[in-house]
Amino acid sequence: KNQVEQSPQSLIILEGKNCTLQCNYTVSPFSNLRWYKQDTGRGPVSLTIMTFSENTKSNGRYTATLDADTKQSSLHITASQLSDSASYICVVSRVGLYGNEKLTFGTGTRLTIIP
Amino acid sequence: DGGITQSPKYLFRKEGQNVTLSCEQNLNHDAMYWYRQDPGQGLRLIYYSQIVNDFQKGDIAEGYSVSREKKESFPLTVTSAQKNPTAFYLCASSIDGGFSYNEQFFGPGTRLTVL
Repeated sequence: KNQVEQSPQSLIILEGKNCTLQCNYTVSPFSNLRWYKQDTGRGPVSLTIMTFSENTKSNGRYTATLDADTKQSSLHITASQLSDSASYICVVSRVGLYGNEKLTFGTGTRLTIIP
Repeated sequence: DGGITQSPKYLFRKEGQNVTLSCEQNLNHDAMYWYRQDPGQGLRLIYYSQIVNDFQKGDIAEGYSVSREKKESFPLTVTSAQKNPTAFYLCASSIDGGFSYNEQFFGPGTRLTVL
């Protein structure tokens, strides 16, 4: 069964600290992995997209890693800011029956940054 | 100002009524998608359209209907047959719906509440 599991479910850290969010998946055949940021009551916004051959990808203070052998990904946030408070969703893509792209969404990690 | 717009932001409906959610994009994207988001669950695909005048059922299409008469518009109708329609609905679009590493861009969402 194609699944994406994220941990922790929620996380609270002090402003300025670093944190790492985890994503494990069983999606097959793997195409790419994405991390989205979703503010409360808003649509998700893409942070990174990683293919099979990419181990690390950065977007400002966000760094995603991918280990396709163990089917794990992480999102590291450096020097957190209050605006980082949001849900972070891991999404894994596979090829569908008709050659189209099919996405499996994780349930997200709810991150709260406190001053 | 390019992007995806959804209206209304909040929608209330009485049981037994049909309601239509609007989604418009000016990104010139071929593919459009409708997702449903419930607390504690990942996004689930309702319907998608890879091209004008064509659409396909997603994983949870029962009780929903769509149309794609124009490239920029993909309205979703929640019918009275949908047993549990209260949810946050997200519309997305991508350059195309094929297997080509497509980033999906999301709208701001519509929160539907059935009274």
